[in-house]
Amino acid sequence: DIQMTQSPSSLSASVGDRVIITCRASQSITSSLNWYQQKPGKAPKHLISAASTLRSGVPSRFTGSRSGTDFTLTISSLQPEDFVIYYCQQSYSPPYTFGQGTKLEIK
Amino acid sequence: QVQLQESGPGLVKPSQTLSLTCTVSGGSINSGSYFWSWFRQPAGRGLEWIGRIYASGSTNYNPSLNSRVTISIDTSKNQFSLKLSSVTAADTAVYYCARVGTSFDFDYWGQGTLVTVSS
Repeated sequence: DIQMTQSPSSLSASVGDRVIITCRASQSITSSLNWYQQKPGKAPKHLISAASTLRSGVPSRFTGSRSGTDFTLTISSLQPEDFVIYYCQQSYSPPYTFGQGTKLEIK
Repeated sequence: QVQLQESGPGLVKPSQTLSLTCTVSGGSINSGSYFWSWFRQPAGRGLEWIGRIYASGSTNYNPSLNSRVTISIDTSKNQFSLKLSSVTAADTAVYYCARVGTSFDFDYWGQGTLVTVSS
């Protein structure tokens, strides 16, 4: 199975801050990396596919990038509703695997 | 707008079979080149992919659950289903169904249903 190592596991920030969440794959997955946001008690919400393609309707403050097997989710200018949990997921090959999640907390 | 809704018992006894159904609305389960997937998430923990099915009935399962999982599809009812046999307390989780998008992302999700394994 492809292992996805996501960091940090939690992050304290303030409204208006810029934050970066990182996900590293255990092997090459090309750009087959997706990002999700999960609010408490809700299903994950798809944000970004193929490392950097923003889903329609997702605010432009969310951006994704890739460098080799390292992927980043950047949230510029944090809004109050952004303080939830984020997951990366590789779609290169089954079994599809997720990172452990990053919980964004208000400082 | 595609919508998915999980249904099934919220309580299953140990050693029995967990059975859930996902009903798809807003589009045909048979249209496009889409797979349909199941996931689960134990309380306070991360997401685990269980498996996927295509409209043709072709399936792929997570090897960690492979011997206990069956996913099936009923295109006439626009539904797909999950069966997980020989359950234990470790199978207690919120179970989600989702559509697999064209980038093998999961673009539409059900709201999730909590299944508790307990006697």
